[in-house]
Amino acid sequence: AQSVSQHNHHVILSEAASLELGCNYSYGGTVNLFWYVQYPGQHLQLLLKYFSGDPLVKGIKGFEAEFIKSKFSFNLRKPSVQWSDTAEYFCAVNAGNTDKLIFGTGTRLQVFP
Amino acid sequence: EAGVAQSPRYKIIEKRQSVAFWCNPISGHATLYWYQQILGQGPKLLIQFQNNGVVDDSQLPKDRFSAERLKGVDSTLKIQPAKLEDSAVYLCASSSMGGVFSHEQYFGPGTRLTVT
Repeated sequence: AQSVSQHNHHVILSEAASLELGCNYSYGGTVNLFWYVQYPGQHLQLLLKYFSGDPLVKGIKGFEAEFIKSKFSFNLRKPSVQWSDTAEYFCAVNAGNTDKLIFGTGTRLQVFP
Repeated sequence: EAGVAQSPRYKIIEKRQSVAFWCNPISGHATLYWYQQILGQGPKLLIQFQNNGVVDDSQLPKDRFSAERLKGVDSTLKIQPAKLEDSAVYLCASSSMGGVFSHEQYFGPGTRLTVT
């Protein structure tokens, strides 16, 4: 069965610090990969997605993620975080032949000014 | 473009009572999903509709949960009777297509259910 692991449950950073959130999945075939974000009081929204092609994908608000197939990873990065990035971040995956999303448990990011 | 609408936003019920949630997807979206998000966990798919047909309900506790999508637009999710462990946020999402050609899922604000 597919699964997604997010090892960082709670991350606390100061503004301007760099961010990397880990995401590993278990599935041997073709996958589509997603990062969703949930800002306080708001609904889940897509940050970025990888379907195929360039393994380095860029999303909204300066976020990017790199798909490393050999490591079954899709880590999220941002060079310099802002207070407004405080939110919960979810990694999700679906197998190439289905659109059923499997989510990780989420990482809560707190950014202090 | 209007987003996915859900109601109610909050609901508190006692165990063994019944409850229903409503979802209106983005206009024209053929695929509709219901997820359950328990505190501290990621969303878990309960059921997926393609138009008004069920594509995947393998994780829906069918002894107490039911869902329908009449006319392929709005959907309702019902729990009868509710248990304490059903306390969660119920999310509805929709996408323009489903199946092999996976497209972005757009999420609604969710309904927070508390069972006492």
